[in-house]
Amino acid sequence: GEDVEQSLFLSVREGDSSVINCTYTDSSSTYLYWYKQEPGAGLQLLTYIFSNMDMKQDQRLTVLLNKKDKHLSLRIADTQTGDSAIYFCAERRDSSASKIIFGSGTRLSIRP
Amino acid sequence: ETGVTQSPTHLIKTRGQQVTLRCSSQSGHNTVSWYQQALGQGPQFIFQYYREEENGRGNFPPRFSGLQFPNYSSELNVNALELDDSALYLCASTPAGSRSSGANVLTFGAGSRLTVL
Repeated sequence: GEDVEQSLFLSVREGDSSVINCTYTDSSSTYLYWYKQEPGAGLQLLTYIFSNMDMKQDQRLTVLLNKKDKHLSLRIADTQTGDSAIYFCAERRDSSASKIIFGSGTRLSIRP
Repeated sequence: ETGVTQSPTHLIKTRGQQVTLRCSSQSGHNTVSWYQQALGQGPQFIFQYYREEENGRGNFPPRFSGLQFPNYSSELNVNALELDDSALYLCASTPAGSRSSGANVLTFGAGSRLTVL
């Protein structure tokens, strides 16, 4: 995706925490999102954060936003086999409310 | 409450042909966006429709066109298909009122996988 970058792969042991990182370039971004895509399926929204927040927690998910460095991360606690999927970071730019830009996705695999 | 449904789920076309993909938005959603997801890539924004008019377009040529109907369902049309058009085409809808404010959360369908030979 244009201007939103993620590492391609992450492998973690079952029960450990997973941390997926993302960087973006547009400082005018208002909302940042994490979506999950399982094989053969569309994208499912996991969580989002407004740009004036630093952190958001939702059950096993923790989102951290460093607006100064334009860095977003998603932490999944107690990673399970069902968490295996591709995770996409996305940003909504205030200048174009209709357009949400996605990264290329991070494939999370779980080791037993 | 039904989600976003897309049809067909899979189709195969040859270069130069035309294709129409269909999307029914989630109940209560009046805005539809289309994305192209090539293999191993993230979704790329094609365009968005609101009140039956195009409202924002990504970096796609004019042979990609769309329609939105009064019931908020939508079509994506691609003319003169090229090999690089092979991809998963995703439709996403957003609730009325979220387009210009709020989180603008997209609800995605499962996609239509197009293969161009």
